[in-house]
Amino acid sequence: DAGVTQSPTHLIKTRGQQVTLRCSPKSGHDTVSWYQQALGQEPQFIFQYYEEEERQRGNFPDRFSGHQFPNYSSELNVNALLLGDSALYLCASSIRLAGTSSYEQYFGPGTRLTVT
Amino acid sequence: AQKVTQAQTEISVVEKEDVTLDCVYETRDTTYYLFWYKQPPSGELVFLIRRNSFDEQNEISGRYSWNFQKSTSSFNFTITASQVVDSAVYFCALSEALGSGGGADGLTFGKGTHLIIQP
Repeated sequence: DAGVTQSPTHLIKTRGQQVTLRCSPKSGHDTVSWYQQALGQEPQFIFQYYEEEERQRGNFPDRFSGHQFPNYSSELNVNALLLGDSALYLCASSIRLAGTSSYEQYFGPGTRLTVT
Repeated sequence: AQKVTQAQTEISVVEKEDVTLDCVYETRDTTYYLFWYKQPPSGELVFLIRRNSFDEQNEISGRYSWNFQKSTSSFNFTITASQVVDSAVYFCALSEALGSGGGADGLTFGKGTHLIIQP
């Protein structure tokens, strides 16, 4: 049973460029959430996708956008990169089951983005 | 707004000692979920436990145990007979339940406790 996978593992970009990060959820999971973790800090919630729509968003600017595909995989796009966007980007997958308490978020290994 | 406080920035103990990591949370919702994650130096967040707000039973899993007390809004984590492999950053997190659609929203993390187990 494959867990959450993310690609690429590492990425180096220049200020002003655009980047796309990818995530495949754990088998059977239909919801994907993205988090940003700066060095030495806690993860910060960016947004969550379910049924190919952004369902909830944290306090991040519109430069951060995403997409979810019919197979539940997801992409995170960041435009006009800033030095402060350098971080570990984590993807988490879960199941959204109405009326139940079955909800666990499993994280992938992350993508380390460095902006120079 | 929801908030999670982990007052202990760093804890250092000698192997085989017991250690408790504190977590205090704030939320206006009556239905919410609490989590603990372990983040070893490799960076991947490892899921340890999830608790919903209606289940105050304490839980034990091997050397790990969790004490959930709604009266004090705390969800503390104890490692018994600590081992060097327990060295990591531990995060407590909270999510509030969404409406009738089920599931829960994004996690709000505490700042983490860096646990160092010395041999």
